[in-house]
Amino acid sequence: DPDVTQTPRNRITKTGKRIMLECSQTKGHDRMYWYRQDPGLGLRLIYYSFDVKDINKGEISDGYSVSRQAQAKFSLSLESAIPNQTALYFCATSDFRGPTDTQYFGPGTRLTVL
Amino acid sequence: AQKVTQAQTEISVVEKEDVTLDCVYETRDTTYYLFWYKQPPSGELVFLIRRNSFDEQNEISGRYSWNFQKSTSSFNFTITASQVVDSAVYFCALNAGGTSYGKLTFGQGTILTVHP
Repeated sequence: DPDVTQTPRNRITKTGKRIMLECSQTKGHDRMYWYRQDPGLGLRLIYYSFDVKDINKGEISDGYSVSRQAQAKFSLSLESAIPNQTALYFCATSDFRGPTDTQYFGPGTRLTVL
Repeated sequence: AQKVTQAQTEISVVEKEDVTLDCVYETRDTTYYLFWYKQPPSGELVFLIRRNSFDEQNEISGRYSWNFQKSTSSFNFTITASQVVDSAVYFCALNAGGTSYGKLTFGQGTILTVHP
């Protein structure tokens, strides 16, 4: 089984709908992240969490919210989806036990907002 | 602020050619880490390498090699004798210190197509 899972893998929704993307990990990492990927822009950080009680906004948090339900679970919500939130969304985890902080990514969720 | 630039948007080569993907970064931190990730057509992101700012030794892993030069703020990636399976989007990323510690800044990505 993969270490980082994301559900759903694909989702089509309509403008104005609320949608939640879920991420689970079995790596035992403390840190979790949500990114979105748009063509030509690379990946941009939406939110990140260094532990269950520590949640921070990233570069592009407007229109998104998150919930860290447990060390292993980090959900991303779009309260009222809009078409420019159509993108590929990635969850990532990392284990800060020293000076390095390699992030490992889930398989991605392709979201289309009509 | 951190910034990563991958000037090559797309590269097309024929199998067995060598290809170098460029990455230039900006940071004011003296401690930082540089990464390369591969995104094959299936979409997932695969970690390839991590380099810290204090280690300028070049690294080779099979057909892959990385050239880190602090003097030019570059961390270039070379694939020797490219293969069709190397076709992917490659991302360079920076994890710097200070308030940005732990957060990755990605370049725009380079689409590599290897033709048979």
